[in-house]
Amino acid sequence: QVQLQESGPGLVKPSETLSLTCTVSGYSFSSGYYWGWIRQSPGKGLEWIGSIYHSGITYYNPSLKSRVTISVDTSKNQFSLNLSSVTAADTAMYYCAREDRRYGSGSFWVYFDSWGQGTLVTVSS
Amino acid sequence: QSVLTQPPSVSGAPGQRVTIPCTGTSSNIGAGYDVHWYQQLPGIAPKLLIFGNNNRPSGVPDRFSGSKSDTSASLAITGLQAEDEADYYCQSFDTSLSGSVFGGGTKLTVL
Repeated sequence: QVQLQESGPGLVKPSETLSLTCTVSGYSFSSGYYWGWIRQSPGKGLEWIGSIYHSGITYYNPSLKSRVTISVDTSKNQFSLNLSSVTAADTAMYYCAREDRRYGSGSFWVYFDSWGQGTLVTVSS
Repeated sequence: QSVLTQPPSVSGAPGQRVTIPCTGTSSNIGAGYDVHWYQQLPGIAPKLLIFGNNNRPSGVPDRFSGSKSDTSASLAITGLQAEDEADYYCQSFDTSLSGSVFGGGTKLTVL
C-alpha cells in the first residue's frame, strides 16, 4: 500500500520560495508512475501544479510554470516542489499524489490514485 | 474559475439517487479524454472514487457510478447515505496543459 507524506515549512514570507518534499513509502518509486503536486486554496477547488517521472521528465501547469520546479531524488524515494516569488495567493493546502498516466479503454488516462494527507502553507510576513 | 464546470451544490434524502454533472471543453473531455472523480470528506485529502469514466477502485461501493458523453460527464450516487456527504470533484486531461484540470467541486448534502 503506497503512502505519501508531505513535509516543509508551514509559513513562508512573500517573495520567498516555498519548498516542500513528498516522501513515498510502500512502493517502488522508480516503477512506472508519475508523481504530482496539487494545491487547494482555502475554501476553493483543486489546482494541478505539476508532475514528474522518476527519470526527471516534468510537466508543469502553464499558469505556474515560470515559478515552479519539481525535482526527484530516487535514492530517498522523494520528490520536491519549489515555488518561487510567492504571494498571499499561493496560500493553500498542498498535496502530493501518485499520478497514473496510461492508455486505458481506448483513451489516455491521467489521474491521481493515492494522495498524501496534505500540508497547509501560509504566505505571510 | 475552474476549467471543468460543476454545480456548487446538490442535495438528496437518504436512499435517493443524485447525479453530479461535469462539463468540459474541446481540449479535455470533448477531445475524448476520460473523466475521473474524487470524493473529499471534510478536512481530509481527496480520494479517488471513479477512474476512466466508470471504473471503481477496490473498496468503492457500487452505489457510485460514472458516465461520459461528448463534452460532459456525470457521477451518480444511488442509495444515498449520510456518510456520502462530501465534496466531489471531476478531473480530466487537458491538451493545452499536458496535464490535469479539475472541476470547481460540488458539495453534496444529505438531507
